Parts: sequence; C-alpha cells; structure tokens
Amino acid sequence: EPEVTQTPSHQVTQMGQEVILRCVPISNHLYFYWYRQILGQKVEFLVSFYNNEISEKSEIFDDQFSVERPDGSNFTLKIRSTKLEDSAMYFCASSVVRQGASGYTFGSGTRLTVV
Amino acid sequence: AQKVTQAQTEISVVEKEDVTLDCVYETRDTTYYLFWYKQPPSGELVFLIRRNSFDEQNEISGRYSWNFQKSTSSFNFTITASQVVDSAVYFCALKPTGNQFYFGTGTSLTVIP
Repeated sequence: EPEVTQTPSHQVTQMGQEVILRCVPISNHLYFYWYRQILGQKVEFLVSFYNNEISEKSEIFDDQFSVERPDGSNFTLKIRSTKLEDSAMYFCASSVVRQGASGYTFGSGTRLTVV
Repeated sequence: AQKVTQAQTEISVVEKEDVTLDCVYETRDTTYYLFWYKQPPSGELVFLIRRNSFDEQNEISGRYSWNFQKSTSSFNFTITASQVVDSAVYFCALKPTGNQFYFGTGTSLTVIP
C-alpha cells in the first residue's frame, strides 16, 4: 500500500538553528499537509499546500514556518530559528482530493527535539 | 465550529475485558468523515477506520467495533477482549469539508496483563 515517507524519524537541533523536515507524499496525490503534535497533546493542523502554494494555514503557522515543494517528489517544512516549544512530532499527510477523505494518508512522523 | 471531544483521558483495563472509548463531535457540515487512529509509543498514527456522515451502519473488524450515532454526534469505539498490545493512545478525528482534520485530545488506554 502506498505510504507517505518522512525523514528523519528523529531530529535533535539546538535552539536558534534552522531545521528542515522532509516528506515524500504518495505519488499521485495533489494536496499536501503538515500537522504538529506537542508531546501529550492532540494533533493540530499547520498548513495545506496545493498547486505550489499554501491553500490554508492555522494560527500556529507563523512567519517562523515555511513550506516548499522543491521538486516533483519532496514536500518540506522549514522552521527558522527553532525554539524550545517547537519540540513536537510533525506529521506530513497527502491526499488525492481536497473534499472528502479519499486516500488521505499520514506519514509516520518526525520527532523534533529542540535543546 | 469544528470540534472533537474525547472525555476519557486515561483508561486502564485488565486483559480480556471489553473497553469502549467515547468520541463526541461537533460540526455544522452535512458531509463529513470520522476517523479513529491508534498511536503506539513509537509515535506514528495507525489508521483504524473511516466513516462518512451518510453511513451510520455499525462496523466490526475482528475485536474492534464502532458505533456511529448522528443523533448524539457520537462515534464510539469498542475493543472486545482487550490485549496488552492494544495499549496505546487512541485519537478520534473529524474531517468536515475542507482541508484539515480536527483531532480529539486522545484517550490513553493501558491494558494490564
């Protein structure tokens, strides 16, 4: 079954450093997403991306964050000048369509630890 | 407003007992989807089930069953004859029209051998 692949599975970074989280969505999917889960809390939506631009973003997704699809396969989340409170699990997801839920698939996550 | 409430924060049961995890949702959309995910200690989200708002039939898959009731906006999940491997955090989620999922705060299930 097709998978959304995220790398690395665990990343440790120093406060103030930039970090890039990588995702390879399912190949025929058109919509891409990032979610965040602070330890012990619920999974929260960050941003959705379609046709090479952000289609929706939450209040969490401030100027510190950016997303990019640098080539035909990768989808990245960049966090500039990381803070301790950015420590969380970050999930990438992709889907075929916006409406409905057909094929909406989450990756296995990247655990980011900011020290 | 879109919202999912999982009132049970933590549940402990003894192995082989049945356990029901509650989920109540809020949405004004007429078309929406409901999900359950399992999150083991390793952290990934394991998909368990998806139901759409037009299908209120209960579903059974092995030891798992789901009871969807639109009248009470609930989508409860029952594990029959629980096993230690069922220990995890379980999330209920809502996807209305639009891009995003709305997750509940999760129920941490511990099955004691």
